[in-house]
Amino acid sequence: DSGVTQTPKHLITATGQRVTLRCSPRSGDLSVYWYQQSLDQGLQFLIQYYNGEERAKGNILERFSAQQFPDLHSELNLSSLELGDSALYFCASSSSRGTGELFFGEGSRLTVL
Amino acid sequence: KNQVEQSPQSLIILEGKNCTLQCNYTVSPFSNLRWYKQDTGRGPVSLTIMTFSENTKSNGRYTATLDADTKQSSLHITASQLSDSASYICVVSGDSWGKLQFGAGTQVVVTP
Repeated sequence: DSGVTQTPKHLITATGQRVTLRCSPRSGDLSVYWYQQSLDQGLQFLIQYYNGEERAKGNILERFSAQQFPDLHSELNLSSLELGDSALYFCASSSSRGTGELFFGEGSRLTVL
Repeated sequence: KNQVEQSPQSLIILEGKNCTLQCNYTVSPFSNLRWYKQDTGRGPVSLTIMTFSENTKSNGRYTATLDADTKQSSLHITASQLSDSASYICVVSGDSWGKLQFGAGTQVVVTP
């Protein structure tokens, strides 16, 4: 158990819909990262937050947004969903600004029908 | 172009045998290099993390090496077990904020 909690574990929805994925980092970790992993693909970095502020952006679509709340949990919002958004979405946390070890959650599997 | 290249893309080995995975990177500046193990459908789990001054680091049957001069790393798996079947991902951390560059991973299948 990495200590990073992601909900929901599985989510099935229709095209055009909007979903929210939630991540609770390890206790005390200030950095939260979001990654997307499509079938048989590598991890694609979406966005990083550090202590509530956006720190880095990767290949995140404009239809996607995220935030980190004062209690350090984070949410990833996916809107106007398309079939191609079906993927595993991982959250990871780190105690440091980014040079330390990453701890990954078990992921949220999104299926868009 | 990906700044972290892994080889081979996949490999199949017999249980009990050894294997070595390669990672070449062009990330600069360099902060550290990590190896992760990812079981299918699960979150990646850290195996090792090395800074530029570390040449070798072990975690059980996993031994990682780093040559910061040639920007190459390897992960050696000794006496492979069926549970070693997974994707092994090389990740390089760049600037002080730890911008991470991920390799595509090497898929390892251990057969009885």
